[in-house]
Amino acid sequence: QSALTQPPSASGSPGQSVTISCTGTSSDVGGYSHVSWYQQYPGKAPKLVIYEVSERPSGVPDRFSGSKSGNTASLTVSGLQTEDEADYYCCSYAGSRYQVFGGGTKLTVL
Amino acid sequence: EVHLVESGGGLVQPGGSLRLSCVASGFTFSDYWMTWVRQAPGKGLELVASINHVGSEKQFVDSLKGRITISRDNSKNSLYLQMNNLRAEDTAVYYCARAAYHSAWDYWGQGALVTVSS
Repeated sequence: QSALTQPPSASGSPGQSVTISCTGTSSDVGGYSHVSWYQQYPGKAPKLVIYEVSERPSGVPDRFSGSKSGNTASLTVSGLQTEDEADYYCCSYAGSRYQVFGGGTKLTVL
Repeated sequence: EVHLVESGGGLVQPGGSLRLSCVASGFTFSDYWMTWVRQAPGKGLELVASINHVGSEKQFVDSLKGRITISRDNSKNSLYLQMNNLRAEDTAVYYCARAAYHSAWDYWGQGALVTVSS
């Protein structure tokens, strides 16, 4: 299973919006609505911020939103705050009960 | 409150074996698929293995098949990962995680560091 493609880095100023892409194929991102996103601070466990492409778990601010078009999923963080600076990973179902992660994107809040 | 606590990590020589454990609390363990995910130093997340509610269905990443076994004991609220013939490239933090949704994990343990080195 090949990893999904994410940009290594993204940045934005406080209050701005930033979108992180996650590109796969028709066998994973494009074929299913099972895309999730995780936020990870250095030395900490990942935290689920989006599941099923655009659903937010309880407690996740509505500044986080997800979408998908074709083989590319996206995570948008609106109204950037300093605490949003972290690594973000996407994950997609790839059939036959397999899942594949993206390589991760380091989000910097300038 | 949901808690997942891994143990069993440490330093092991190449070719050696290790068994990781994950004890769950705060939820009905037997209701959930559980997964091991690892992260090599400075690298991204990689799914290692998953197991269904009763242990009858298991999935492993292709690169690890034949060297790892995932199991669970619902009477002990525990998840296990047996790793054999370890290689330097298996050095990573290993997380156990609860699959609350299809292909999404809502609770993660703090991680167990496995270092494979002579």
